[in-house]
Amino acid sequence: GESVGLHLPTLSVQEGDNSIINCAYSNSASDYFIWYKQESGKGPQFIIDIRSNMDKRQGQRVTVLLNKTVKHLSLQIAATQPGDSAVYFCAENEDSWGKLQFGAGTQVVVTP
Amino acid sequence: EPEVTQTPSHQVTQMGQEVILRCVPISNHLYFYWYRQILGQKVEFLVSFYNNEISEKSEIFDDQFSVERPDGSNFTLKIRSTKLEDSAMYFCATKSGGGAKNIQYFGAGTRLSVL
Repeated sequence: GESVGLHLPTLSVQEGDNSIINCAYSNSASDYFIWYKQESGKGPQFIIDIRSNMDKRQGQRVTVLLNKTVKHLSLQIAATQPGDSAVYFCAENEDSWGKLQFGAGTQVVVTP
Repeated sequence: EPEVTQTPSHQVTQMGQEVILRCVPISNHLYFYWYRQILGQKVEFLVSFYNNEISEKSEIFDDQFSVERPDGSNFTLKIRSTKLEDSAMYFCATKSGGGAKNIQYFGAGTRLSVL
């Protein structure tokens, strides 16, 4: 069936470097995508979202890129900090009721 | 910042017992969701709820599961007869408006352990 998935299960990043987390989706009808951050013992926390009529959206230290041609989504974190260590999920909004389909998650580990 | 509140944070139960997980949505939010996350796996959709009725449910949400908003405030997930495989983190999420493009805010979750 349709799915959203991540390329890398674990990403180790040195503090201060930029992080790039990738996500592939297969539902070409999807028109809204969200990145969530999940710290240990907590619920998913919204980071940034993007609609399908956009290619790029920037927030504070984060940028989401959407390539609809290859159905690929990425999250870039600038100047990665220890507090960025978490699992990052991409999610796809499949219908008007708002059901989210999550990818498998990428563990980001920030090393000093 | 307003937040979704879930209780209890951890629920331990015996197989076959009923459990009720509770969620207090963000004030004025109208759309409610339950998700679950088995340890080490991705977050999975269970059910969406709007206007006092289920709008969508997944295959996981079988007859053992039910949701309600009994007092117009709390949003509850009931599992009638728990199974070992129901052990997971259960997350409540809420959003303010309809359509696909409103942010869902998640609670911290309830860890359900079925023994």
